[in-house]
Amino acid sequence: NAGVTQTPKFRILKIGQSMTLQCTQDMNHNYMYWYRQDPGMGLKLIYYSVGAGITDKGEVPNGYNVSRSTTEDFPLRLELAAPSQTSVYFCASSHGQNYYEQYFGPGTRLTVT
Amino acid sequence: DQQVKQNSPSLSVQEGRISILNCDYTNSMFDYFLWYKKYPAEGPTFLISISSIKDKNEDGRFTVFLNKSAKHLSLHIVPSQPGDSAVYFCAASASYNQGGKLIFGQGTELSVKP
Repeated sequence: NAGVTQTPKFRILKIGQSMTLQCTQDMNHNYMYWYRQDPGMGLKLIYYSVGAGITDKGEVPNGYNVSRSTTEDFPLRLELAAPSQTSVYFCASSHGQNYYEQYFGPGTRLTVT
Repeated sequence: DQQVKQNSPSLSVQEGRISILNCDYTNSMFDYFLWYKKYPAEGPTFLISISSIKDKNEDGRFTVFLNKSAKHLSLHIVPSQPGDSAVYFCAASASYNQGGKLIFGQGTELSVKP
């Protein structure tokens, strides 16, 4: 099992550009999450999904969109990138019966200049 | 408004001694608490958890203590090993929040010196 995979590992965007961060899990987990971690800070939840076709906002959803068309994939879309979106982005997944214990991907480091 | 706080950004401990990492929370609705460990350039990994119906949970060298009246939890690592050097995040959740939404603290960087 690969677990949770994220692509790309690194990306530099110009202000106003858009991009999609990819996340795939092969553990058949119902729950998936997107977090961002700013320097010296903890992780903040952007969006989450409790199953295919169902998504909901977390603490910091502004400037992002998500979709969940399959159990495996949970892409995060950035529209009109801003310097405030410079961060490390982590995708995670968990099983429905124990959704607090989340499995994280290795992260995507995004810089917006 | 920081609902989960880890007030010590860093901690240095000698190998073989005890490491104690602390975490405070403000939301009395939190009823499940977790510790995650993170190495550089990797995602966090789950370490240990505790429900609010308990005051202690132990797993090998790791023990988490919960003091609900003080809204405080701590992670004890005994004995500490150099491989424990990492950033430790405390996280909390309220069961009424369906979907496992976690609120994380800022993290404490633990350095275990040989």
